[in-house]
Amino acid sequence: KQEVTQIPAALSVPEGENLVLNCSFTDSAIYNLQWFRQDPGKGLTSLLLIQSSQREQTSGRLNASLDKSSGRSTLYIAASQPGDSATYLCAVGDNAGNMLTFGGGTRLMVKP
Amino acid sequence: DAGVIQSPRHEVTEMGQEVTLRCKPISGHDYLFWYRQTMMRGLELLIYFNNNVPIDDSGMPEDRFSAKMPNASFSTLKIQPSEPRDSAVYFCASSRPGTGGEKLFFGSGTQLSVL
Repeated sequence: KQEVTQIPAALSVPEGENLVLNCSFTDSAIYNLQWFRQDPGKGLTSLLLIQSSQREQTSGRLNASLDKSSGRSTLYIAASQPGDSATYLCAVGDNAGNMLTFGGGTRLMVKP
Repeated sequence: DAGVIQSPRHEVTEMGQEVTLRCKPISGHDYLFWYRQTMMRGLELLIYFNNNVPIDDSGMPEDRFSAKMPNASFSTLKIQPSEPRDSAVYFCASSRPGTGGEKLFFGSGTQLSVL
């Protein structure tokens, strides 16, 4: 059974810092991996989707990498802003990508 | 598009009562998912549909839970009878057809409290 772990569980940084969020998974036979953002009391918003054949995806200040062989993904946030404060979850897709297993999330606070 | 629409946003009920949660996926999306989120267990997939047909319901916790998708624009998740341990946020999500593993779009969720 796939298990997804996110470290750290919580992170507090000053505005402007570059930061890295980590995600690890136990079964490397994945179809894809998604990074989501969740604001308090809200649903999840998909930030980046990496197919298993890809190594990374970029969107604005966000960059996600995938290393299937080591069972790891990282989400890099450049020049963090207070508006980036949220919980970030990674999810690993099996079975043609439709069965997602979520990590527990990293709660990020960016202080002005 | 208005996105994935869920109702109600909040539901408070007493143990033993029937609860029905509703979801309208994004038009044109043919995959629909029901998730449950709790502090203890995180996000768990309960069931998903493709073209209105249930594909995998292995995450449905008990027979008290049932889900239907009578047409492409509507799905329900029903709990009968409800129990306090069912208290959680229930999310509906949808994705468009593709080669597989498209981005998932989530609704705002239903916060369920069973007293």
